Amino acid sequence: EAQVTQNPRYLITVTGKKLTVTCSQNMNHEYMSWYRQDPGLGLRQIYYSMNVEVTDKGDVPEGYKVSRKEKRNFPLILESPSPNQTSLYFCASSLQGRGTQYFGPGTRLLVL
Amino acid sequence: AQRVTQPEKLLSVFKGAPVELKCNYSYSGSPELFWYVQYSRQRLQLLLRHISRESIKGFTADLNKGETSFHLKKPFAQEEDSAMYYCALFTGGGNKLTFGTGTQLKVEL
Repeated sequence: EAQVTQNPRYLITVTGKKLTVTCSQNMNHEYMSWYRQDPGLGLRQIYYSMNVEVTDKGDVPEGYKVSRKEKRNFPLILESPSPNQTSLYFCASSLQGRGTQYFGPGTRLLVL
Repeated sequence: AQRVTQPEKLLSVFKGAPVELKCNYSYSGSPELFWYVQYSRQRLQLLLRHISRESIKGFTADLNKGETSFHLKKPFAQEEDSAMYYCALFTGGGNKLTFGTGTQLKVEL
């Protein structure tokens, strides 16, 4: 089944403890993105990648890192999480980097 | 900068009634507009896009460049239409969709 997967789905952590949220797609898509969803703000792009080893900042990149070592994987790294990064995170992929994107199930993160 | 506005946080209609979810955008170039839907406990998924001019699950949306709107419409609401609906704008580059804040549609029996 063609899909985007994320792990973990739920995570509670403490301020400053490094964490990684994984994202994987099996559709051979070149483009991948990370979004965060906050009440009243919709989804906002954090980072995106156009291909292996090619990444760039989205609208809200502060406090996040990403890597794209393989085409199928696009992990999101929070090196020193803070409470304002408590949010619902979505990974998405697309074939041609346009508006038709496929979303993962979301990762709900709580930073205490 | 581009922006998408969905003025209604919650829209409640009765089954069989017409539905219109409003979406307005601001963008100086040629926009591509989309509607995404998130059913309860499911992931966000594409509902329809303006360039396809298609009808999905009875929903249609017409891009009105004069009014910068892309309202989502359905003539007769069904219970299974209850979900969160997001209007999104793609402006090219960065694989980025600019989303509205979403409208929760509740279809009551």
